Amino acid sequence: RKEVEQDPGPFNVPEGATVAFNCTYSNSASQSFFWYRQDCRKEPKLLMSVYSSGNEDGRFTAQLNRASQYISLLIRDSKLSDSATYLCVAFTGGGNKLTFGTGTQLKVEL
Amino acid sequence: NAGVTQTPKFQVLKTGQSMTLQCAQDMNHNSMYWYRQDPGMGLRLIYYSASEGTTDKGEVPNGYNVSRLNKREFSLRLESAAPSQTSVYFCASSDSRPSYGYTFGSGTRLTVV
Repeated sequence: RKEVEQDPGPFNVPEGATVAFNCTYSNSASQSFFWYRQDCRKEPKLLMSVYSSGNEDGRFTAQLNRASQYISLLIRDSKLSDSATYLCVAFTGGGNKLTFGTGTQLKVEL
Repeated sequence: NAGVTQTPKFQVLKTGQSMTLQCAQDMNHNSMYWYRQDPGMGLRLIYYSASEGTTDKGEVPNGYNVSRLNKREFSLRLESAAPSQTSVYFCASSDSRPSYGYTFGSGTRLTVV
């Protein structure tokens, strides 16, 4: 079983829609979580950190549920420019190593 | 601009050839990492260096060696390239606070024929 699992998608949504991605992690010792965005043939870039209390950055909201060991990302009012692959990431300490999920592909269409 | 610089961006090797991928960061980060990314597999850690002078194996270290030359530079060497090492390689760096995440280089696309 992979340490961080995501639905690969693709999620095809119309512009303006709200879309949500979930991610589950298997290591209960994981301490911190992140969402990264990766555009086609580019490097991953940090989108936002995920806190137990939930956090919001503009149209993006991230939530963490430690009891069920899942993380979510909600994107409101989707833009064409949101089309990318979204990587769920867990930090479990020891050498500052991050474990990446395989990513969920989002395609926002006109 | 500050960041992580990888060279080369593209490379084609013949089976059995060797090469070194270079990575340098100018953010004064302590930790550096090498990942490979393959379709359906996600990013997998090859080697990492938590601080200058230390290196440790990650998830998929076989066939690779690394050198943390100084605080800025972390190189990845393929001694005898194999087709299974065809991949996109990313170098990354971070400071000691994981909440700030990693900064990645733009990647090296390696094809072994």
